[in-house]
Amino acid sequence: AQKVTQAQTEISVVEKEDVTLDCVYETRDTTYYLFWYKQPPSGELVFLIRRNSFDEQNEISGRYSWNFQKSTSSFNFTITASQVVDSAVYFCALSEPGLTGGFKTIFGAGTRLFVKA
Amino acid sequence: DSGVTQTPKHLITATGQRVTLRCSPRSGDLSVYWYQQSLDQGLQFLIQYYNGEERAKGNILERFSAQQFPDLHSELNLSSLELGDSALYFCASSAQQGWETQYFGPGTRLLVL
Repeated sequence: AQKVTQAQTEISVVEKEDVTLDCVYETRDTTYYLFWYKQPPSGELVFLIRRNSFDEQNEISGRYSWNFQKSTSSFNFTITASQVVDSAVYFCALSEPGLTGGFKTIFGAGTRLFVKA
Repeated sequence: DSGVTQTPKHLITATGQRVTLRCSPRSGDLSVYWYQQSLDQGLQFLIQYYNGEERAKGNILERFSAQQFPDLHSELNLSSLELGDSALYFCASSAQQGWETQYFGPGTRLLVL
C-alpha cells in the first residue's frame, strides 16, 4: 500500500539558513511518480517538482534542490539560503497506477516551514 | 494562476443539506481529480475522472459523488452533510491519465454548521 511520511511537522529557521525537508515513501509498484507541492498561507497548492521512479537524477532549480534515493525510498527537498517568502506548508506526494487506468495520489501530512527575518 | 477554476470559493451550509462544487480544468486537460483537505485528515484523494469516465477512487464517502461532463468540467456533489465534512475541497487537472503533473485550483472552502 502507498504511504508517504513527512516526519517533520514544523521547522523554523532564520533567513539565509539552508533547510532540508524529508520525505519517505512506501510503494509496491516499480512505476510511480513523486511530487513536491507548496501551500503558502493563501491556501493554493503550487507544483514544485515531479520525478518518475526511473529517474534518480538529482535536480536543482534556483535555490531549490531535490535528492531522490530509491535505495532508501526518500525524496528530500532542500531550500538553500531560505527567505521569508518560503514560509509555507510543503507536501510530498506519491502517485501510482490504479487498477482501472487512473492514478491514485497520496500526500504526506506536510511540513510547515517558518522562515524568520 | 494554474488555469484550473473552482466555484464557489466559499460555501456555508447546514447539516443534512446537499451542495455541488464545480471545477473547470485547464484547457486541453482530460483528467480531473478531487481532493479534500481537512485539519484532521490532511489532503485526501477522493476520485479521478478521465475524459468523462471514472478512473481511480480514493477515500470518497458514499454520500459524495462526482461526474465529468462532455465539456470536461466536473462537479462534486456532497449530500447529507455533516459537521465533519467542513474542509477545503481542491480540484486538480492533468493532461492525460495521471502520470503527469496535476495542477490545482484555488479550492472551495466548505463550512457545515
